[in-house]
Amino acid sequence: QLQLQESGPGLVKPSETLSLTCTVSGGSIYGSYDYWGWIRQPPGKGPEWIGNVYYTGSTYYNPSLKSRVAISVDTSKDQFSLKLSSVTAADTAVYYCATLERPGVSGYTASWGQGTLVTVSS
Amino acid sequence: QTVVTQEPSLTVSPGGTVTLTCASSTGAVTKSYYPNWFQQKPGQAPRALIYSTINKHSWTPARFSGSLLGGKAALTVSGVQPEDEAEYYCLFYFGGAQPSWVFGGGTKLTVL
Repeated sequence: QLQLQESGPGLVKPSETLSLTCTVSGGSIYGSYDYWGWIRQPPGKGPEWIGNVYYTGSTYYNPSLKSRVAISVDTSKDQFSLKLSSVTAADTAVYYCATLERPGVSGYTASWGQGTLVTVSS
Repeated sequence: QTVVTQEPSLTVSPGGTVTLTCASSTGAVTKSYYPNWFQQKPGQAPRALIYSTINKHSWTPARFSGSLLGGKAALTVSGVQPEDEAEYYCLFYFGGAQPSWVFGGGTKLTVL
């Protein structure tokens, strides 16, 4: 069964870059039918889609975050990563990595990491 | 900015049936929005229930079903159990030149 695990610093200073990695086990990123995505959830609020990457490296980003976000994939390590630059307190959230359905493609298997809280504070 | 709207809260009695909906600011929801539904309990990650409007995951209880209803995506829970009390979120896909995904604001389902 596919398992995803987020890792990275839990505290980031304002104006710096938030960096997280998602490690996939129980399956392979390479050749997967699904998208590999990042979602965040500020305390007490609903989830917000950040962006997706396909195993080929193709990416899609939330327009509201696009200027600050970069998502990359390393199929040799079965990892994909998130970088969010110029962070502020508004970026404080639980960050999840997850598989997302690729429209029009069958065989989707949903899987989410447990989430990691990232706090932006000096 | 596309907005996906859900009922903020709903209350249902144990054993009853309840329908949660998701509407899009862009117009009527169709299967091309590939609606997904998630359940989230406090302190836990969201758990996927439904994908592609109607499809259940292997772990989705039979009492949960997805559909399109009156131009919205819908999640119906039949024979509600106390453990169904949770926050429910929908997720829509918006295609085009720059595809994007948008979550609804969530529905707090209370079983009372």
